[in-house]
This record gives sequence, structure tokens and C-alpha cells, in this order.
Amino acid sequence: DAKTTQPPSMDCAEGRAANLPCNHSTISGNEYVYWYRQIHSQGPQYIIHGLKNNETNEMASLIITEDRKSSTLILPHATLRDTAVYYCIVGPISSGSARQLTFGSGTQLTVLP
Amino acid sequence: NAGVTQTPKFRVLKTGQSMTLLCAQDMNHEYMYWYRQDPGMGLRLIHYSVGEGTTAKGEVPDGYNVSRLKKQNFLLGLESAAPSQTSVYFCASSYSWDYGYTFGSGTRLTVV
Repeated sequence: DAKTTQPPSMDCAEGRAANLPCNHSTISGNEYVYWYRQIHSQGPQYIIHGLKNNETNEMASLIITEDRKSSTLILPHATLRDTAVYYCIVGPISSGSARQLTFGSGTQLTVLP
Repeated sequence: NAGVTQTPKFRVLKTGQSMTLLCAQDMNHEYMYWYRQDPGMGLRLIHYSVGEGTTAKGEVPDGYNVSRLKKQNFLLGLESAAPSQTSVYFCASSYSWDYGYTFGSGTRLTVV
């Protein structure tokens, strides 16, 4: 499985956009990029995923570079409730592989008032 | 619609005791997973299931067994608990491989 590299921590001012980077330089063509977050020991929460096109939903936007070696999760207007650990994960597209999503250490995002 | 429900939420075991953690989902998901999370670490996959009657080993399966007799339930068993199994256990389910996972709220297990 491709590994991901994320900064261990980031701060963001409330109301501003939070841009969380992720490096996945060994990603293969049959792997998605997933983002999850975990708020203070709760169960992780799925945010968004994508293959090679940019994606947007009600929670966030995902920007994937053209070479797919890195991506950025954007929270457009961060609130205090967005303070959490954010995980960037790569995972297989098809069920032909027995591999599963591997959660690393993630980025601790702290939204400051 | 409850999503993923884990039972119990807290438990203290003595070394050598056994117990079963129950995960139930009401979303008709095919895939279910058990993860453990230790302080300051990410989640590690213990076992998973791709459908009723199937199970497979994940990254850290030793000391655990699982069963998926019904599609909606995924059981995690500890036959002889050890202090190293003190952790927070999360269950998750998904509709398919490429869908996002829905996680439960976790079971905090302490083995003394």
C-alpha cells in the first residue's frame, strides 16, 4: 500500500480556510485518496475521497495534483468544532486486493478563536 | 437509523478472562471491520469481513477471533485477555470497498 506523509500539527484561525496537505508519492493508479477525521477520541468520521479529479461535498474540498503524488483537504470556513486529527489514507479501488485502509498518525488541526 | 452500535462502551477485564465485543450496523453494509487504537497512535486493523460468513486477518490479528454469522453483526472475541490488549476498539462498516466507512463510538477496554 502507498504510504502517506502529513504534518503532525497545524493551527488555523476560526472562520478562515484550513488547508491540510498530504504527500502520497508512491500512490498507484488503482488507489483512491481518502480523508477522515477523529474528534477527541470519538470514532473516525469519513470526510471525502477522490481518484484524480477534484472533489467537493458539504464538508470539504479535495484537491489532488495532476501527478497524484499529493493532495490538499480544504475546510473552507473552519470552526472550533473542526478541531480534530485528520487522516489522509490511500486505498484500493477494487475488491481484488485484500488490502485495507491503514490509518497513520494524521495531522492534529487546532482551530483557534 | 442508529448506524454502527458497539457494545459495551467500557469494560475492565482481569488477565486471562475472555469477552466478546459486539458490533451491529443497520445500514445493510457488506463490509465490516475491527480496529484498535492505542494512545497517540493511529488505528490498526485487527480483522475484517467482506460479507456474511466471511472473515479475514488484518494487520494485528493475534489474540483475537471474529465471527460474522449475521450480516448486521460482527463479533470480536478475546479468548484470554492480556494487558497488551488494553486499547480503544472501533468497529466500522462500509457499503463497498471504495465507499467511506461509518465508525462506531468505540469500546474502551482495560485489562489489569
